[in-house]
Amino acid sequence: IAGITQAPTSQILAAGRRMTLRCTQDMRHNAMYWYRQDLGLGLRLIHYSNTAGTTGKGEVPDGYSVSRANTDDFPLTLASAVPSQTSVYFCASTRTSGGALFFGPGTRLTVL
Amino acid sequence: DQQVKQNSPSLSVQEGRISILNCDYTNSMFDYFLWYKKYPAEGPTFLISISSIKDKNEDGRFTVFLNKSAKHLSLHIVPSQPGDSAVYFCAARYEGGSEKLVFGKGTKLTVNP
Repeated sequence: IAGITQAPTSQILAAGRRMTLRCTQDMRHNAMYWYRQDLGLGLRLIHYSNTAGTTGKGEVPDGYSVSRANTDDFPLTLASAVPSQTSVYFCASTRTSGGALFFGPGTRLTVL
Repeated sequence: DQQVKQNSPSLSVQEGRISILNCDYTNSMFDYFLWYKKYPAEGPTFLISISSIKDKNEDGRFTVFLNKSAKHLSLHIVPSQPGDSAVYFCAARYEGGSEKLVFGKGTKLTVNP
């Protein structure tokens, strides 16, 4: 089934732990993005990648890192989770940079 | 400072009536605008878009209007249906096709049967 998959669906994490959120797309889209959604704040861009091998910082990159080793995968890593990183995380992709985004189903992360 | 603003957190309308969701922006470098719809526990889905060279784009029951001089756009849903109940996000893209979209905070639409 074409689209974007994210894993895990939800996770409860102790503060200070390392966590990687996985994102895979099979649409051969060049650009991929990570957003977080918080109540009252909408969707905010964390990191993005215009093509495999390149990444860039978004609006709220602190505490997060990404890699783009190939076209399909774009993992998001929290090196040492903090409670303020409790959020719903959405991975998205688009064929061309700046186009309409296709979003994954999201990962609900709770940091205690 | 928020560049894309959706000042109404929620909107409630009767089935069959028109729903009007509003969005204002502050950056004149935006050249492309999109609306996304989001149901609970799902990712946002693309609904409709408009380029800054147009003032209207229509797709079935959904129409987006753009007023560049006022830096304002609106999404009209006619007629509204209960299945339209969702959170609607307005988004904008920088001129030249930037790497990111800037989203508003969203408006929760409830369509009552």
